[in-house]
Amino acid sequence: QVQLVQSGSELKKPGASVKVSCKASGYTFTTYAVNWVRQAPGQGLEWMGWINTNTGNPAYVQGFTGRFVFSLDTSVSTAYLHISSPKGEDTAVYYCARGPPNYCVGGSCSTYYFDYWGQGTLVTVSS
Amino acid sequence: QTVVTQEPSLTVSPGGTVTLTCASSTGAVTSNYYPNWFQQKPGQAPRALIYSTSYKHSWTPARFSGSLLGGKAALTLSGVQPEDEAEYYCLLYYGGAWVFGGGTKLAVL
Repeated sequence: QVQLVQSGSELKKPGASVKVSCKASGYTFTTYAVNWVRQAPGQGLEWMGWINTNTGNPAYVQGFTGRFVFSLDTSVSTAYLHISSPKGEDTAVYYCARGPPNYCVGGSCSTYYFDYWGQGTLVTVSS
Repeated sequence: QTVVTQEPSLTVSPGGTVTLTCASSTGAVTSNYYPNWFQQKPGQAPRALIYSTSYKHSWTPARFSGSLLGGKAALTLSGVQPEDEAEYYCLLYYGGAWVFGGGTKLAVL
């Protein structure tokens, strides 16, 4: 069955970088894009961007450029979110979510979907 | 700055029917926005319910349906169950970028 399993909670001091992993299983990893979604405490969901798992090309929404980097290690079917110089306002649960197929990213498809989600990773930034 | 607006909260009785809506600050929502809907319960990850306006995932209960209604995307729950109490989020596509709505807290009382 399809699963996305994320790494455990992180407690970081401001300025210390953090890396969240999202390991996929149950499907061919390089077929579907991986999305990253942030949820600050008590707040709603915020789409950060996605990465084409075939080409490795990421796309970031405004507000998540610069300190946030998406990467892949396709040999272990894993996507990563790297946050450099985190600040207190980066404290949140970060989710990865699968979908749509890579050819839809930057292209045109008849349907678009996010289907499977990771369990979330709580990143706490505090001195 | 594109804003996607949902009702902050709604209340429904068990067995009743309720419709949640999702509006775009850019104008009428059409199928080209590929509306997706998600359910999130406290302490849990979101669960996908509906994609591309009205398509259900294999796990989506039959009582959930998606549509376009009056220029908005809509999620209708028919025969509401107590376990449907949750936060519901819509997600719209703006040609390369996605924007979530602020969420609707659905109470079943």
